Amino acid sequence: DADVTQTPRNRITKTGKRIMLECSQTKGHDRMYWYRQDPGLGLRLIYYSFDVKDINKGEISDGYSVSRQAQAKFSLSLESAIPNQTALYFCATSDSRTGGVFNYGYTFGSGTRLTVV
Amino acid sequence: QQQVKQSPQSLIVQKGGIPIINCAYENTAFDYFPWYQQFPGKGPALLIAIRPDVSEKKEGRFTISFNKSAKQFSLHIMDSQPGDSATYFCAAKYQAGTALIFGKGTTLSVSS
Repeated sequence: DADVTQTPRNRITKTGKRIMLECSQTKGHDRMYWYRQDPGLGLRLIYYSFDVKDINKGEISDGYSVSRQAQAKFSLSLESAIPNQTALYFCATSDSRTGGVFNYGYTFGSGTRLTVV
Repeated sequence: QQQVKQSPQSLIVQKGGIPIINCAYENTAFDYFPWYQQFPGKGPALLIAIRPDVSEKKEGRFTISFNKSAKQFSLHIMDSQPGDSATYFCAAKYQAGTALIFGKGTTLSVSS
């Protein structure tokens, strides 16, 4: 099983629908992130959470909300999907407790390809 | 405002060549600079990373060069192979309580 699992892998939804993307991890990491990838725009941060009670907005949080249901689960919701939210969405995790200089390494899931029509 | 500027957007080299991908940043508070590699259909994976108190770091065929005064860092891939064909992202981070900020990515194609 993958360390960071995203469901669904692919989803087509209609404009105005509410949709939830889910992320679960078995890494035991405390920090989780949602990024959006668009061609030519790279990875842009939507939301991040450093523990169950901590939620922070990223660069492009408008139109999105998140829920950290447990240390291992972090879901992203689009309350009313619109076509320009069509993108590849990635969940990532990291561990604040790892010692050393490079403890900021992220583990990414395989992504959810979302199409809003 | 784009905090991490990456170039070029795409790059084609022949097998054995040395592709170089560049990134520039403005925020002098950044203290961690990683590079991620992404293959089609996969999530990005950490390739190599550097702190600003070091000017160069090598891991296998991959080298980061860091120029603190110019606020630039670059990835060099020695003896590039077709299997290195992927999208590469530079990133930066400042202080412990924030998340990585990524560049826009460079699509590298290594021809055999």
